[in-house]
Amino acid sequence: DSGVTQTPKHLITATGQRVTLRCSPRSGDLSVYWYQQSLDQGLQFLIQYYNGEERAKGNILERFSAQQFPDLHSELNLSSLELGDSALYFCASSVARTPGNTIYFGEGSWLTVV
Amino acid sequence: GNSVTQMEGPVTLSEEAFLTINCTYTATGYPSLFWYVQYPGEGLQLLLKATKADDKGSNKGFEATYRKETTSFHLEKGSVQVSDSAVYFCALHVLPGSGYSTLTFGKGTMLLVSP
Repeated sequence: DSGVTQTPKHLITATGQRVTLRCSPRSGDLSVYWYQQSLDQGLQFLIQYYNGEERAKGNILERFSAQQFPDLHSELNLSSLELGDSALYFCASSVARTPGNTIYFGEGSWLTVV
Repeated sequence: GNSVTQMEGPVTLSEEAFLTINCTYTATGYPSLFWYVQYPGEGLQLLLKATKADDKGSNKGFEATYRKETTSFHLEKGSVQVSDSAVYFCALHVLPGSGYSTLTFGKGTMLLVSP
């Protein structure tokens, strides 16, 4: 158990809908990361927050947004869903943003868009 | 930019065979290097890491040495078990001057170990 908690574990929704994925980082971790894993794209970095502020953006679509709340939990919002958004979405956390810090991953949220 | 190249899988071995999964990287700045493992139906778990040149990371019988001169971080295990069947990801983490900081992953290598 990495200590990173993600909900829901599985989600099936229709095209055009909006979903919210939730992440609780490990206790004491200030950095939260979101990744998308799909068969064709592999593991893609989406976005990073550090202590409530956005720090880095990767291949995140404009239809997607995220935030980190004062209690450090984070939410990833996916809207106007398309079939191609079906993927495993990982949240990860680390103490800080320095490269030596280990980044711990949650078990992921499986999103299926039908 | 930053990138990680791993050998393509699947790698198919018999139990107790020697394992090598190659990983090379390109990085701007001085990266830390990681191996993560993903067992079927599960999330990513950190297997081992190394933060500077010539460091050796090790865990559960797996080893990898940070080779700056060859920009490599090959994963090895002397005797694999069926329970090692999983997908292995090599990754790097670097904080360049722009402040952009995240893990960059390779495409993953699937390992299948048969009894």
